[in-house]
Amino acid sequence: NAGVTQTPKFQVLKTGQSMTLQCAQDMNHEYMSWYRQDPGMGLRLIHYSVGAGITDQGEVPNGYNVSRSTTEDFPLRLLSAAPSQTSVYFCASSALFDRLIYEQYFGPGTRLTVT
Amino acid sequence: GQQLNQSPQSMFIQEGEDVSMNCTSSSIFNTWLWYKQDPGEGPVLLIALYKAGELTSNGRLTAQFGITRKDSFLNISASIPSDVGIYFCAGPGTGNTGKLIFGQGTTLQVKP
Repeated sequence: NAGVTQTPKFQVLKTGQSMTLQCAQDMNHEYMSWYRQDPGMGLRLIHYSVGAGITDQGEVPNGYNVSRSTTEDFPLRLLSAAPSQTSVYFCASSALFDRLIYEQYFGPGTRLTVT
Repeated sequence: GQQLNQSPQSMFIQEGEDVSMNCTSSSIFNTWLWYKQDPGEGPVLLIALYKAGELTSNGRLTAQFGITRKDSFLNISASIPSDVGIYFCAGPGTGNTGKLIFGQGTTLQVKP
């Protein structure tokens, strides 16, 4: 198993550009999520999904869109990048038992800089 | 909302020393997770705890689920340089939504 994979590893964008961060998992996990990590702020949840076709907002969803058309993939879209979105982005997945997360597994991260 | 408070925020220790860190919450958690993040990498799950009072080990790491269900502890024995990194505690958010709440992390530095 590759686990959770993310592409690209690094990305530089100009303000106003759009892009999609890719995330895929091969563990047949129902739950997938996106976090951003900023110095001194820990990990903050952007969006999450409890299954194909179902997504919901986390604590910092503004400026980001997600979709979940398959169990395996959970892309994160930045429609119009802003310097405040400079961060490290992590995708994570877990199995769901009675809708409770037990263990969550993270990808290697995408380091995004918006100039 | 739910919050997890980790302490200490950072530690600088000598190789071979033991390390203790803890995580507290104002609300009850039914699961406690401990992660480690190496520089430039994603967090890696170290230990998962599911019962109050549970004590679980993973090599030199030992974690405990506090009896009040509002705290958890992580100990590292005989630290080595590769223990350097950020250690996060985490637990499920309320409402059965599947969300995970993270602490702010404890940064560990080990001097050879």
